[in-house]
Amino acid sequence: GAVVSQHPSRVICKSGTSVKIECRSLDFQATTMFWYRQFPKKSLMLMATSNEGSKATYEQGVEKDKFLINHASLTLSTLTVTSAHPEDSSFYICSASRGGSLGETQYFGPGTRLLVL
Amino acid sequence: AQSVAQPEDQVNVAEGNPLTVKCTYSVSGNPYLFWYVQYPNRGLQFLLKYITGDNLVKGSYGFEAEFNKSQTSFHLKKPSALVSDSALYFCAVEVGQNFVFGPGTRLSVLP
Repeated sequence: GAVVSQHPSRVICKSGTSVKIECRSLDFQATTMFWYRQFPKKSLMLMATSNEGSKATYEQGVEKDKFLINHASLTLSTLTVTSAHPEDSSFYICSASRGGSLGETQYFGPGTRLLVL
Repeated sequence: AQSVAQPEDQVNVAEGNPLTVKCTYSVSGNPYLFWYVQYPNRGLQFLLKYITGDNLVKGSYGFEAEFNKSQTSFHLKKPSALVSDSALYFCAVEVGQNFVFGPGTRLSVLP
């Protein structure tokens, strides 16, 4: 099956620094990628939809200036958490879609656990 | 290793009939279990979760799921399917610091 990778798998940073998380589709071109955030025992929250070559579409309540998304190629989307604070500590998961016809399935990355001290 | 299986790639059901989407898991420890739905060109939407307590969990859009510890299953059910339920359904498990998705099951409800 299709493979999606995320890097890093874990990151610890100091408050006020920025952290970049990469999501790569390894064996297919992904026209659309999704970024999610998950808190312990909580469900995933969709943060934004990332479309190759255009601006990301953010869900209501997600600060676009804080969570910068770039989808510069068909195999790579990045999420940058700017000026991170402890409340940004969470598990971030991306998924990638080949796009094209309706109902294209999603392939999930393994997730990145962020801890902001 | 933690894993989640959804043994059926595709489930077809007639509108008005009950539906079941199966999920089994293999984890060490006590898992938290989730079901998500994905409509075309959309991100995942949360349906329901099991953390503890009553094994039968009720969720959004009339869906429910039953946690069965002995069978390590968490099947998604709905008594009467709607055409609008046609979508992709993902089972997921959280154990400790790991969050694992199943491969997904495509549900088609036929009018």
